[in-house]
Amino acid sequence: DAGVIQSPRHEVTEMGQEVTLRCKPISGHDYLFWYRQTMMRGLELLIYFNNNVPIDDSGMPEDRFSAKMPNASFSTLKIQPSEPRDSAVYFCASQGYNEQFFGPGTRLTVL
Amino acid sequence: KNEVEQSPQNLTAQEGEFITINCSYSVGISALHWLQQHPGGGIVSLFMLSSGKKKHGRLIATINIQEKHSSLHITASHPRDSAVYICASQGGGGTSYGKLTFGQGTILTVHP
Repeated sequence: DAGVIQSPRHEVTEMGQEVTLRCKPISGHDYLFWYRQTMMRGLELLIYFNNNVPIDDSGMPEDRFSAKMPNASFSTLKIQPSEPRDSAVYFCASQGYNEQFFGPGTRLTVL
Repeated sequence: KNEVEQSPQNLTAQEGEFITINCSYSVGISALHWLQQHPGGGIVSLFMLSSGKKKHGRLIATINIQEKHSSLHITASHPRDSAVYICASQGGGGTSYGKLTFGQGTILTVHP
């Protein structure tokens, strides 16, 4: 298995633009997680899905953020409109029975 | 609410030394994760444990459920072990099963 795949790896956009981050989890994993990492706040859980259903979105900062998982092999995290304070590294991770496996992350810069 | 505390925040060692990183949490949890993040930014899961002890190569992780405490040990440390080590609790404290609560991380530097 190729592991958790995220795209794009880097994204630079201007304030107000829509940003879509993509994730392909490891096949067979029931859980999918979206995290954000910043220097100030460290790693934070934004939302997670179990069997494609959102279970806990209490970490989503505000209505500008939304996440979907239309099937077991694909998820998106969308920010609309983006703001400079959204600049961070966004990680996707998937989990089966044991450890979580993290994707390489998307480094987002909002100018 | 679950709080996860790691110590020390920074750790410097000489190659070959035995290293211990500690993690404490405040409520009963489903599992405890140890993660490693290298300077390049990638995150690797080292261990997930809910009781006892696990070993993988030079790494050992232990957990004491009663004391709500976990430790990560590195034997015969090497410069390539230099990284940020993060502990995270899963579930517990009224949170949903899958939710991870992260410690602030321990920055380990191993000098040759």
